[in-house]
Amino acid sequence: QKEVEQNSGPLSVPEGAIASLNCTYSDRGSQSFFWYRQYSGKSPELIMSIYSNGDKEDGRFTAQLNKASQYVSLLIRDSQPSDSATYLCAVNVLSRDDKIIFGKGTRLHILP
Amino acid sequence: GAVVSQHPSRVICKSGTSVKIECRSLDFQATTMFWYRQFPKQSLMLMATSNEGSKATYEQGVEKDKFLINHASLTLSTLTVTSAHPEDSSFYICSVRRGQDTQYFGPGTRLTVL
Repeated sequence: QKEVEQNSGPLSVPEGAIASLNCTYSDRGSQSFFWYRQYSGKSPELIMSIYSNGDKEDGRFTAQLNKASQYVSLLIRDSQPSDSATYLCAVNVLSRDDKIIFGKGTRLHILP
Repeated sequence: GAVVSQHPSRVICKSGTSVKIECRSLDFQATTMFWYRQFPKQSLMLMATSNEGSKATYEQGVEKDKFLINHASLTLSTLTVTSAHPEDSSFYICSVRRGQDTQYFGPGTRLTVL
């Protein structure tokens, strides 16, 4: 099983709808979870971090964490064309000296 | 957050030459920096962890003699790609870790080896 898995997409969502991005991880001891956004040709930028089970909201973004299911998700409400990007899930992996390991990312396309 | 710069943003060089990329932490002192490489439409791949005042630790499969890392101060880490070849052409990105594991990325350096 890969350390951090994401569906590569593309995920197409109509403008104004909710985009739901999912990520699973293999290390049960992971404690830190991150979502990054990466536009084409640019470096990743941090959107959200989450450390506890449940939901964490920041503006139009909500991160959801379920450690029992080893699952973390990102919801984007009122999707805008500017949200079109690749979204990277990142998790600390204890077996890799606690390094932050990135998933391959999900390409999101917001349809105008 | 953290402000991270990289220089140069883009470099084109001939095969066999060496290229140095600088990564600077502008607003705090970073004892640890990370170097990543990203090929087109691929995920970020961690190459090495740069430790201030000590040797870098490299990920499996990354040649330490080809990718030289120097973390001489708390605000600067450099990556030198020695004897670059076309297969080294990629997007190189550094990051710093601040707070509880949070990493902040520099803008990246796009290397093209002819």
